[in-house]
This record gives sequence, structure tokens and C-alpha cells, in this order.
Amino acid sequence: DIQMTQSPSTLSASVGDRVTITCRASQSITSWLAWYQQRPGKAPKLLIHETSTSESGVPSRFSGGVSGTEFTLTISSLQPDDFATYYCQQYSTYPWTFGQGTKVEVK
Amino acid sequence: QPQLQESGPGLVKPSETLSLTCTVSGDSISSSGYHWGWLRQPPGKWLEWVGNIYYDGRPHYNSSLESRVTISRDTSKNQFSLKLSSVTAADTAVYFCARIKIRSSGWTPFDYWGQGTLVTVSS
Repeated sequence: DIQMTQSPSTLSASVGDRVTITCRASQSITSWLAWYQQRPGKAPKLLIHETSTSESGVPSRFSGGVSGTEFTLTISSLQPDDFATYYCQQYSTYPWTFGQGTKVEVK
Repeated sequence: QPQLQESGPGLVKPSETLSLTCTVSGDSISSSGYHWGWLRQPPGKWLEWVGNIYYDGRPHYNSSLESRVTISRDTSKNQFSLKLSSVTAADTAVYFCARIKIRSSGWTPFDYWGQGTLVTVSS
């Protein structure tokens, strides 16, 4: 199985900060990586798929990228609505696997 | 836009079979534009993919659950279902159903989700 290692597990930040979450795959997943946002008690919301393609309606402050084997989710200017938990997911190879999550909390 | 709704018992006894149904409205589960999936999330933990069912009815399962899981569909009711046998406390989780969009250049995973349903395994 492909292991997805996500970091950090918790990120403390303030409104207006630029934040970056990283996700590393244990083997090649080409560009088949998605990012989700999950608020407590809610279903996850797809933000980005295929590494960098934003879903319709997702604010432009969210962006996805890759550098070498590290995939990144960047929030350019953190807004109050963005305090949540974020997950990466590979859908290159079965079984599809998720990272352990990054909780973005108020500093 | 599609709506997905999970339904089923919230409490299952150990060693019994967990059965959930996802009812889809706004899309046809047999449309060649979509596949459908089940995921779960134990309390306080991360997401785990359980399995997918393709628009033609073919299932794909997480290898860690494959001996216990069955995903099937009822196209007349526009529903797909999850059965997980021989459950233990480790299967306690919120179970979600979700849609996968098929595009010419690839798939968009899990773009629409049900609200989730908590299933507790306990005697």
C-alpha cells in the first residue's frame, strides 16, 4: 500500500498568515493527489484534485503544488473559515490512501 | 447537484454484519460519468477508503477489509450498499458514501459526500 505522510499534524496560525501543509507519498503517484478540508462533525470537502486543480467554488487562496516528491497545500492568507483539518489522498493505486491529517488551529 | 444519504443501523453487535445503504438523488449510479465509494473515519482518527463500485457494477475493495466487505447496488432504487461482516469494536466509525467523477483526462475523487452516519459496534 502507498503510505501518505502528512506534516505537520498540528499547525498554529493567525488570520492573514500564509500556511503550507505537506504530503509525501511512499512511491510514485504521478499527479493523482487530492486535498480535502474537514470541519468538526462534517463530511470532508474536496478542495483540489490532480495535485493543483481547484474545485469549482474553492477560494483562490487555496493552491496545490508539488516539489520533487512533496505535495503541498498552501493557503495564501488564512481566513477564519479556514481553521479546520486538512487531508491529502492518493488515488493513483488501489487501495486509495489518506494522510493522517493536519489540524490548523488558532494561534 | 447530487445528494447522497447514508442509512442503516447505528448500533451493531460484535461478530454481526454491518449494513448501510447510500441513496443517491440528482445523478444515476449507472451513468457512465460516475463511480461511487464508501469511506469511514473512526472517532478522532483519519479517513480510510473502504471501496468503490463502478458505474457498471464492478467493485474494488480495500485489501485490508476485502475478506469481510461487499459493495453492491440496486439501480432500480438508485442506491448502493455496504456490508461488512464479523465486525469488532475497531469497525466503529462514521461511514460516508461519496461520488467519483469520471473525466476524459482522469477521475475527480469524492467531489460529493453524504453527511455520514455513525456506526457503533458494541454488545
